[in-house]
Amino acid sequence: AQKVTQAQTEISVVEKEDVTLDCVYETRDTTYYLFWYKQPPSGELVFLIRRNSFDEQNEISGRYSWNFQKSTSSFNFTITASQVVDSAVYFCALRKTGNQFYFGTGTSLTVIP
Amino acid sequence: DVKVTQSSRYLVKRTGEKVFLECVQDMDHENMFWYRQDPGLGLRLIYFSYDVKMKEKGDIPEGYSVSREKKERFSLILESASTNQTSMYLCASSLLSGGDFSYEQYFGPGTRLTVT
Repeated sequence: AQKVTQAQTEISVVEKEDVTLDCVYETRDTTYYLFWYKQPPSGELVFLIRRNSFDEQNEISGRYSWNFQKSTSSFNFTITASQVVDSAVYFCALRKTGNQFYFGTGTSLTVIP
Repeated sequence: DVKVTQSSRYLVKRTGEKVFLECVQDMDHENMFWYRQDPGLGLRLIYFSYDVKMKEKGDIPEGYSVSREKKERFSLILESASTNQTSMYLCASSLLSGGDFSYEQYFGPGTRLTVT
């Protein structure tokens, strides 16, 4: 069963637009962790944020913000005033008990200048 | 800075060959992982290791084996390469997670393997 769903396969936005990348996860565990990674064209995945299941506070880091809602099992990622350098594939991931991570299929974001 | 290096960025092998993909990390991480990345399928875990000589199967271990003789090195072995193993292979490492905290993974640049 798919544990992490990123329904948006590809998104294109014009520079300076805001964009939200959706992530829905599935788990019965009460303790779990959610992550977002960025994979730029160079190929190396870069860690963006971690959230544990007990911390539902939203997070803002510069132009990036994350909205964690346990009620809807979602952990969405918003980029404000997008820039060309934001063009990448973004992955949402879930870690339950144990050391295995479950990744979504990724959302490819293209920011058009 | 954590560094995860992979032995090759691009590799071309023939069907039936034995293929070794090497991964080295320099931050004394306990956990190491091998994924393959295919379009539309995201990252799928092949194997992971939480200690030297320890390994656990991931979601798609068939056709692969691994070796971890030293803490810093984790090798992925394709015993007899087949065309359906053409893919991008990503190695990752992390500290051992526990309690109410989970460490993130650090990824290498990937090896694009083509089996002809």
